[in-house]
Amino acid sequence: GQQLNQSPQSMFIQEGEDVSMNCTSSSIFNTWLWYKQDPGEGPVLLIALYKAGELTSNGRLTAQFGITRKDSFLNISASIPSDVGIYFCAGRYGNKLVFGAGTILRVKS
Amino acid sequence: GAVVSQHPSWVICKSGTSVKIECRSLDFQATTMFWYRQFPKQSLMLMATSNEGSKATYEQGVEKDKFLINHASLTLSTLTVTSAHPEDSSFYICSASSRISGNTEAFFGQGTRLTVV
Repeated sequence: GQQLNQSPQSMFIQEGEDVSMNCTSSSIFNTWLWYKQDPGEGPVLLIALYKAGELTSNGRLTAQFGITRKDSFLNISASIPSDVGIYFCAGRYGNKLVFGAGTILRVKS
Repeated sequence: GAVVSQHPSWVICKSGTSVKIECRSLDFQATTMFWYRQFPKQSLMLMATSNEGSKATYEQGVEKDKFLINHASLTLSTLTVTSAHPEDSSFYICSASSRISGNTEAFFGQGTRLTVV
């Protein structure tokens, strides 16, 4: 079945630092999505990518859809305490989504 | 726009009873909704696809008689956990797709924490 490999599994960074996480797959996806989930809440969509090579920003967040359509990365610049949470990548196949295992981000101020 | 509301946000029930969870798209119509299950510190696992006016499609390994899904209208899907047992305790999340600027996006409810005692 479809699988996404997301890394790193967790990060503990200093406030103000930049963060980078990525997802890879052996399968091709038509859409890559990045979500953030706070404890006890549902995932919130951060960035959606639709075309191979696409680079999209949302405030301090930047994500890219890999040219091969098998990978994507998410960067967060100048991290702040409220960036804490779990970040998930997701790839769309048909009308379904498959999720990565998540990256736990902790920020120390 | 594109708000998905889930109710209840948490529920505690006795073993053997059934629990119903509602998922509503508040400002758009959704012919398809999805139900996920999430264990602590793990990712979201798709349980089933809920189709308005027809039977749900279940993922491999998910018992359809255990997890009853009804999608009676374009804004409401329900998941009923029948004869719940402690191993059914989990975080259940629904999503609905909405078209924004020509692209289809998935928006999630806030989740329901089910604890079976």
